[in-house]
Formats: sequence, structure tokens, C-alpha cells
Amino acid sequence: NAGVMQNPRHLVRRRGQEARLRCSPMKGHSHVYWYRQLPEEGLKFMVYLQKENIIDESGMPKERFSAEFPKEGPSILRIQQVVRGDSAAYFCASSPPSGGSYGYTFGSGTRLTVV
Amino acid sequence: SQQGEEDPQALSIQEGENATMNCSYKTSINNLQWYRQNSGRGLVHLILIRSNEREKHSGRLRVTLDTSKKSSSLLITASRAADTASYFCATALNNDMRFGAGTRLTVKP
Repeated sequence: NAGVMQNPRHLVRRRGQEARLRCSPMKGHSHVYWYRQLPEEGLKFMVYLQKENIIDESGMPKERFSAEFPKEGPSILRIQQVVRGDSAAYFCASSPPSGGSYGYTFGSGTRLTVV
Repeated sequence: SQQGEEDPQALSIQEGENATMNCSYKTSINNLQWYRQNSGRGLVHLILIRSNEREKHSGRLRVTLDTSKKSSSLLITASRAADTASYFCATALNNDMRFGAGTRLTVKP
């Protein structure tokens, strides 16, 4: 039973390019959460999704950022026209429909570097 | 803000000593969780305490929760160098989980 899988582990993009980060939740988990972590800081909530639904995107910038969790396939966090300030580690977590009663399972993260 | 806030920001102790980290929050919660993060890695779930619980143990970990004060503490007993990591509390309400900035624990051998 694989855990939460994120890919790629490292991503380098030039300013203005698009970044696509993928997250496959644990088997049986239907809730996905994306967090951003800047160096030496905590995790900042970005967006919470269920299959085909965005539940809460209050932590996600209104422009250039979007997220989806389609019926089939992984959840995608998409950053358009990346800027240097987007450089961070992006973590995905998943939980079952019952919620986080036993804690959330995190992926190993994608480290985005914008050059 | 529902987000937890850890205290202290950094803690340095000798191996064998106990480490205590605190977390405060501002809103109602269903549960509070503690996570550990080694440098450059993902988060690992350590322990979850529900809002109707006051204390919980797991190995060398002891977590307390005081909902009247909206605070929690994580105690690591008999620390080891391998416990060196950042520790985060996360407050959860209805499938919505928010993290604090973490406590960086250094355990010197």
C-alpha cells in the first residue's frame, strides 16, 4: 500500500514557465490537501480538494495558481508564469473520507526552484 | 486564525534530557496533531489527540491538550540525537488542517 506519491521530487523552471506538480493520494483516500513551505518556515495551507471538487482554496493565490483533483488520476497543482518567489517545497497530504481521525499522510514533497 | 503557534521556535538540549514544545491555537478544533519533519523531508505523523482527550502517550512521546486554554504540549522523554528535527502542531476542524511555524529541536550527542 504505497503512501502519498508526489512527483517530481525536484523541479526547476525558468521565470515565466509553467510548473505542474502531481500528487497521488493513498489508496482509499479521497481528500487531498496542498501546502507550501518556504525555507525555515512552517507549512502554509493552500487548497483542499475532494474528487472533482475544490472544497477550500482560501490559501491559494488568486492569480497564476490552480488545483484540480479529477475523477481519475492524480491531483495537480499548476503554477503559471512562475516567479522567483514561487520557489518553495510543495507538500501534498491525503486523508480518507472519514477525515483526519488518524492523522494525515504526507508525500515527500516537490521542491520547486525558479531560476 | 485556526493555525497553531509553536513555542519555542528553537530548542537545543543534550541527549538524555527531556524536550517540551508547546502549541497554542485560537479556534475550536476536532483534534490536534503533532508532526515531525527531518531537514528536506516530508512530514511524519507522530500523534493525534482528540478534543475530548486530555493526555495521550506513544512510546517516548507524551501529548497534553487543554481546550480551555487552547494549548497543547509535546514532551519527548530521554531524547536521542536522532530526535533532531522540526516539530509542528496542526489543528484540525472538519477536515481542514492548519500548521504552525514549528519548533526546531536539536539534540546534542
